[in-house]
Amino acid sequence: AQSVAQPEDQVNVAEGNPLTVKCTYSVSGNPYLFWYVQYPNRGLQFLLKYITGDNLVKGSYGFEAEFNKSQTSFHLKKPSALVSDSALYFCAVRTNNYGQNFVFGPGTRLSVLP
Amino acid sequence: GAGVSQSPSNKVTEKGKDVELRCDPISGHTALYWYRQSLGQGLEFLIYFQGNSAPDKSGLPSDRFSAERTGGSVSTLTIQRTQQEDSAVYLCASSSPLGVTRTEQYFGPGTRLTVT
Repeated sequence: AQSVAQPEDQVNVAEGNPLTVKCTYSVSGNPYLFWYVQYPNRGLQFLLKYITGDNLVKGSYGFEAEFNKSQTSFHLKKPSALVSDSALYFCAVRTNNYGQNFVFGPGTRLSVLP
Repeated sequence: GAGVSQSPSNKVTEKGKDVELRCDPISGHTALYWYRQSLGQGLEFLIYFQGNSAPDKSGLPSDRFSAERTGGSVSTLTIQRTQQEDSAVYLCASSSPLGVTRTEQYFGPGTRLTVT
């Protein structure tokens, strides 16, 4: 069965500092990995995805994530955090199986302090 | 272009009443998903449609919940005999048929359901 873990419920970082939001996964087969962000009282927005190829993927708003197959991780990173990055972040995984669904992690709340 | 839309945006209902929540996916998107999210919490998967069929409806919490999709487009999630624990935000998402398993989901703004 597929599963996603986000080991930190909450991440606090000072504005201007680098941020990391962690995600690890478990799947049978090759994973397709996604990050979404949810701002207060809004729906989820797609940030970036890893399908194949370069392990470092870049996405919206200056975010990037690195796929690490040996560690089964897909951590979200940004070199310099903004207060406006404060939101709820979700990692998700699926495989190349038509009938299988996305599996979402529990979410990590990021607070960027001014 | 237009995104995923959901209606109503807010619904307050009395315990025991039935409610219908509607989702209009992005035009051409064959995959459609329903999730439930309690206040500030994670996503609870409910059901997934590919076209009009539902390969995965394992997340429906009870037989009071049902969903249908007609014409490969609009979907309706129905909750019968609502209970207070059904109060949540119901999110709908759709994704493109191109490389269907590789594409991201696009989410609607959600329907906030309050059962009094």
